[in-house]
This record gives sequence, structure tokens and C-alpha cells, in this order.
Amino acid sequence: DSGVTQTPKHLITATGQRVTLRCSPRSGDLSVYWYQQSLDQGLQFLIQYYNGEERAKGNILERFSAQQFPDLHSELNLSSLELGDSALYFCASSVGPRNEQFFGPGTRLTVL
Amino acid sequence: GQQVMQIPQYQHVQEGEDFTTYCNSSTTLSNIQWYKQRPGGHPVFLIQLVKSGEVKKQKRLTFQFGEAKKNSSLHITATQTTDVGTYFCARAKTSYDKVIFGPGTSLSVIP
Repeated sequence: DSGVTQTPKHLITATGQRVTLRCSPRSGDLSVYWYQQSLDQGLQFLIQYYNGEERAKGNILERFSAQQFPDLHSELNLSSLELGDSALYFCASSVGPRNEQFFGPGTRLTVL
Repeated sequence: GQQVMQIPQYQHVQEGEDFTTYCNSSTTLSNIQWYKQRPGGHPVFLIQLVKSGEVKKQKRLTFQFGEAKKNSSLHITATQTTDVGTYFCARAKTSYDKVIFGPGTSLSVIP
């Protein structure tokens, strides 16, 4: 158990819908990262927050947005969902921006 | 661009054989991290290398950072079935830089 929690574990929805994925970092970690992993694919970095502020952005679509709240938990919002958005979404946290990352168990999103 | 490449993509070995995966960057790295992801699991941090030419060992695993800090390797001696998984290297140039993971090397161990 990494100490990072993600909810929900599974999510099945339809095209065009909007979903919110939630992540609670390890206690004491200020950095939160979001990744997308499609079937048999690598980890695509989406976005990083540090202590509530956006720190770095990867290949995150405009339909996707995220934020980190004052209590340091983070949410990833995915809207106008497409079939190709079906993937495993991981959240990770670290003490600081370049420290080792601890990954949550992931949320498996299926868009039908 | 800031690509990170890994070879091989897949490796099948007989249990007891050695295994090596290589991570190569087009730019000089400030540090490199290695992660392992078991099938159906999440990535787990293995190690971080910072210094040029650095070599670190964890039991049967040996991690190396190139002298030019553009490449790294992970070597597993006498593989076991518990070593099965995908091994990723990852880098971020600065704390404001996006994190780039390599595509990973998927290791299968035949008992």
C-alpha cells in the first residue's frame, strides 16, 4: 500500500459524458501527478501540482482539467468523453517535485 | 525533443538468466528514476540516480547512470518469476519540467 488513494476504482460511462477522478496523496506529500496509461501503453504524464499550484503540464487535452485543493487532494475532470479516453488513470504523489513518486492503485475508466 | 527511449521493448528470459534494460535520453539528465509495474498493478519506485557514473545495487538489481548522464541501465542477475513486470525509467529536467517516462521494457520470466 503506497498511501495514495484513488476513487473510484472503476468507472464506466458513455461518450459525451463528464467524470471526476479523485486522488488523496500520502500524508505530507505536497506534489500530485496525474498519468494516463492506455492498454499496453506507457505512462503519459498529464499534469503536476505542487502545494495547490500547477507546476508542469504534459499532453493533457483541453477537455481535461485538474486542480489541487487546500487539503492537497486532487481531482481530474474529464469531459466530452470519447472512446479513446478509456484508460487507466494513475495519481502519484511525492514530497517535492523531483522526489520519488508513490502511485495510487489507479482508476480504470471505460467509455462506451 | 525531450524523448526518453528504452530498449528492448520486450524481453523473455528463462528463469535464472540475466536481464538488462537500457534507458537513453536525447538530452543530459539531471537525474533518472526507475520504476517497476507488475501486471495489473501500479508503478513502484525502485531507485533514483543523480551522479555521473553512479552505480547502485539492490540485491540482484544493479542500476547504472552513464558518465555523460544521457543513459542509464538496469541489470537483474539470475532472474526470478517475481521479477516479471514492466520496468520504466523516468526523468524530469527541473522541478518545473514535465515528467517523462520511457515506454518501458516488459520482462517475462519462463520458469
